[in-house]
Amino acid sequence: DGGITQSPKYLFRKEGQNVTLSCEQNLNHDAMYWYRQDPGQGLRLIYYSQIVNDFQKGDIAEGYSVSREKKESFPLTVTSAQKNPTAFYLCASSRTGSEKLFFGSGTQLSVL
Amino acid sequence: GQQLNQSPQSMFIQEGEDVSMNCTSSSIFNTWLWYKQEPGEGPVLLIALYKAGELTSNGRLTAQFGITRKDSFLNISASIPSDVGIYFCAGQLRGNMLTFGGGTRLMVKP
Repeated sequence: DGGITQSPKYLFRKEGQNVTLSCEQNLNHDAMYWYRQDPGQGLRLIYYSQIVNDFQKGDIAEGYSVSREKKESFPLTVTSAQKNPTAFYLCASSRTGSEKLFFGSGTQLSVL
Repeated sequence: GQQLNQSPQSMFIQEGEDVSMNCTSSSIFNTWLWYKQEPGEGPVLLIALYKAGELTSNGRLTAQFGITRKDSFLNISASIPSDVGIYFCAGQLRGNMLTFGGGTRLMVKP
């Protein structure tokens, strides 16, 4: 079945630690996105990539980094510079130029 | 930046009741979308709207693209327990990234 797979489902970060969230898609989509969801708030765009080896900052990129070495994969690293990392992180993909995003099932990141 | 105001923030209704929620913006959009998110999962697209005044249905769901292009509405008829979740609106202006509303949390009492 085609879809987007995020892992792990739950992740805990210690003080000063970098953690990486995985996102893999087999939909053959060129564009991939990372969103952050906080309780009671809408989805905020962290980073997006429209093609391999290229990505752009979204609205809240500070404290995060990404890479896009393969079309299928768009990992997100939450660095120690992100002082409030506790949130639900959603990865999405779409065909180039399409407004229809397909989402993964999310990763809940918490701070120990 | 653009902001979408979604209301109500939450609703607690009886099974069988109809539901209405809306989304308003200070800016115009070319496309409106409605997503549903169930607990612990990612949002799933319900309806996409592309033309001012457009009215589109998906089963018991009906959504409308406001004629001013600054608002959209979602109605759910005869609600059932599996309608529970968070409903998000999203707007897009010609190739730009989507802007999401804050969501309407729907709870249905059997």
